[in-house]
Amino acid sequence: QVQLVESGGGVVQPGRSLRLSCAASGFTFSNYGMHWVRQAPGKGLEWVAVIPYDGSNQYYADSVKGRFTISRDNSKNTLYLQMNSLRVEDTAVYYCAKDKAKWAAAGTDYWGQGTLVTVSS
Amino acid sequence: DIQMTQSPSSLSASVGDRVTITCRASQTITTYLNWYQQKPGKAPNLLIYAASSLQSGVPSRFSGSGSGTDFTLTISSLQPEDFATYYCQQSFSTPLTFGQGTKVEIK
Repeated sequence: QVQLVESGGGVVQPGRSLRLSCAASGFTFSNYGMHWVRQAPGKGLEWVAVIPYDGSNQYYADSVKGRFTISRDNSKNTLYLQMNSLRVEDTAVYYCAKDKAKWAAAGTDYWGQGTLVTVSS
Repeated sequence: DIQMTQSPSSLSASVGDRVTITCRASQTITTYLNWYQQKPGKAPNLLIYAASSLQSGVPSRFSGSGSGTDFTLTISSLQPEDFATYYCQQSFSTPLTFGQGTKVEIK
């Protein structure tokens, strides 16, 4: 069965960095686009970034562009989110999610359980 | 960026009711519209993709319609397990964007 397991969350001071990982299993990881989506406490869903099946492009929300980097290692079935220059407003549960398609425009059919990132001094 | 506006923001309904949630895009997104259900403390669950296609394993009481800028999610007969928050999302262009959510509560 499809499993997505995020890790790397925690408490970090503003301005510092954190790297999230998402270990995928149960499907051919290299055939699908992958996303990061976040949800601040008590708030709605916010899409963060997407990477297509081959890692050839990356797209970001305006709120994280220039600070966050999405990447993938298809040999390790793992998705990453490098988060630099973290801000208090980046505090959220971060989910990785699998797209239904290679190029990531068809809806996300599997989600991880989420990892909490808290940015606080 | 494409803005997604859902209405209503919340609604109260009874088991067995027919429920309709609407989603409007700020520009045409053809049928690149997805619907998700989220329960407290859980990850979202894909219900409908491409505006009207039912995701595998989702009960047939859920249906989606629309194209262009106006879309609808309908629950034909609300069940106890359907009380949750529902989000639309456009996947027509990046940045992908979600609606603000519609919370369906028990009347």
